[in-house]
Amino acid sequence: GQNIDQPTEMTATEGAIVQINCTYQTSGFNGLFWYQQHAGEAPTFLSYNVLDGLEEKGRFSSFLSRSKGYSYLLLKELQMKDSASYLCAVCEGNYQLIWGAGTKLIIKP
Amino acid sequence: ETGVTQTPRHLVMGMTNKKSLKCEQHLGHNAMYWYKQSAKKPLELMFVYNFKEQTENNSVPSRFSPECPNSSHLFLHLHTLQPEDSALYLCASSQELGTGNQPQHFGDGTRLSIL
Repeated sequence: GQNIDQPTEMTATEGAIVQINCTYQTSGFNGLFWYQQHAGEAPTFLSYNVLDGLEEKGRFSSFLSRSKGYSYLLLKELQMKDSASYLCAVCEGNYQLIWGAGTKLIIKP
Repeated sequence: ETGVTQTPRHLVMGMTNKKSLKCEQHLGHNAMYWYKQSAKKPLELMFVYNFKEQTENNSVPSRFSPECPNSSHLFLHLHTLQPEDSALYLCASSQELGTGNQPQHFGDGTRLSIL
């Protein structure tokens, strides 16, 4: 069946590095997305991976291993504004996204 | 500024009321989506429209009725809702269907509470 797993909640310290993992089992694979969602706000697009490897965008990087059904989002030099939920989603076909329940990231001073 | 605007932001209604949620996108996209987001659960896709035509109805109860008059506007008409329908309803748009790498752009959602 279809399944996306990510930790429910994580805590990290301002200025540190945190890695949020996502494992998936889907019937098809056409790429993996990471979104950020602040409380009461819209999810916003962070990254897209379809090939194995690391994609870097400033303080945020996303990694994909298709053979392992695994991705992670790496956040460096954490800032208080990074406190949010991080959603992992796999595109199964042409547009259908299968979503994880999200990881709530709490940043402490 | 997300480019996708949803109104109202909050809605409280009784089970016998009829109301509508509105979504408008200013991004020139051709595909629009309705999602339901409940606490600590994954986003649930409800409906998908591509060039105003409905391409997906994800087994949604008939008390939810979508309408897409053009590629920029999407409505969700609600009537005779149940308490379990209380949730955040998110609208999203993307450039087009058919290519998996198109990110979806979301509105801030309507927080719906059913009394």
